[in-house]
Amino acid sequence: EAGVAQSPRYKIIEKRQSVAFWCNPISGHATLYWYQQILGQGPKLLIQFQNNGVVDDSQLPKDRFSAERLKGVDSTLKIQPAKLEDSAVYLCASSVGGNQPQHFGDGTRLSIL
Amino acid sequence: SQQGEEDPQALSIQEGENATMNCSYKTSINNLQWYRQNSGRGLVHLILIRSNEREKHSGRLRVTLDTSKKSSSLLITASRAADTASYFCATLPQGGSEKLVFGKGTKLTVNP
Repeated sequence: EAGVAQSPRYKIIEKRQSVAFWCNPISGHATLYWYQQILGQGPKLLIQFQNNGVVDDSQLPKDRFSAERLKGVDSTLKIQPAKLEDSAVYLCASSVGGNQPQHFGDGTRLSIL
Repeated sequence: SQQGEEDPQALSIQEGENATMNCSYKTSINNLQWYRQNSGRGLVHLILIRSNEREKHSGRLRVTLDTSKKSSSLLITASRAADTASYFCATLPQGGSEKLVFGKGTKLTVNP
């Protein structure tokens, strides 16, 4: 079984620029999650999709972050414009749904200069 | 907000020793999960324990849950250098939410 794929693995941009991350979940997993993990902390949920509908985006800074999951499969997360405090690892995870374990990709490490 | 708090924040042991990590949380839960994260990698699910369970085993892992104290522990027996990683507890609150809430993690170093 192929795991959760994310790209790019690393990204360096200047503040106020825009950036996008891509995630391909495990085939058949209806639920997709985007997390932000700041160095030394646990992941914080940004947004959760069930198929292509948003279940929870209460912690997504909507003035600068956006996410979509077209056709209920792949997903993209965008930041525009980026701030210094957005430096973090962005993790994508998927699950079959409900309270089942989540499967994580290796993340995108974002550095803002 | 982070509900789970792991203790200790860092733990260094010798190969072959046992490692115990603790997690405390604040609200009622549906289940509690433990994840491992190797440096530069994503999280890997280790074990899930439901609120009506008290103990669960998986290989060298043993997890206990005390809902009256709102705490859990993860025991790794006969540790190996390959167990070096950060370990996170994550709680699924009661009430229908599917939102896992992670703690800050315990960084375990197993010295060969």
